[in-house]
Amino acid sequence: NAGVTQTPKFQVLKTGQSMTLQCAQDMNHNSMYWYRQDPGMGLRLIYYSASEGTTDKGEVPNGYNVSRLNKREFSLRLESAAPSQTSVYFCASSDIFGTAVQFFGPGTRLTVL
Amino acid sequence: GQQLNQSPQSMFIQEGEDVSMNCTSSSIFNTWLWYKQDPGEGPVLLIALYKAGELTSNGRLTAQFGITRKDSFLNISASIPSDVGIYFCAGLRTGTASKLTFGTGTRLQVTL
Repeated sequence: NAGVTQTPKFQVLKTGQSMTLQCAQDMNHNSMYWYRQDPGMGLRLIYYSASEGTTDKGEVPNGYNVSRLNKREFSLRLESAAPSQTSVYFCASSDIFGTAVQFFGPGTRLTVL
Repeated sequence: GQQLNQSPQSMFIQEGEDVSMNCTSSSIFNTWLWYKQDPGEGPVLLIALYKAGELTSNGRLTAQFGITRKDSFLNISASIPSDVGIYFCAGLRTGTASKLTFGTGTRLQVTL
């Protein structure tokens, strides 16, 4: 099992460009999450999907959109990237009926110039 | 949004020393998790706690779920160089639809 995979691993964008971060999990988990990590800020929730077909805003959703494509895949889209979105992005998944433990992917390091 | 208060923010210790860190909140949590993040990687679960007063070990790591349900503690005994990284606590409150609240992290550096 690969667990949670994310692509790409690194990305550099210019202000105003768009891109989609991809995430997939092979653990048959119901819930998936997108976080951003900034120095000294810990992990902040951008969006989450409690189950296939549902998405909800987290703590810092502005400037982002998400799509729960199917049970395995949850993508994060930046429509018009801004320097403030320079960060490390992590995808995670959990079994909502289980232990509350979230399993994280390796992250995408995004720089917006 | 709420984040958990984690302390210390960073620490330098010598190899072989014991380490203690804690996580506190003004809110009650019904689950506490401790994660470790190595440089350039995603967080990895170390210990999960589900009951007030629970004490759980994972090798040299021991974590406790505080009796008040507003705090948790992580101890590392006899630290080694591979303990270097950032340690995060995370809590789950009732009615938050599996959304975890994370601490800001404790950065651990070990000197030989």
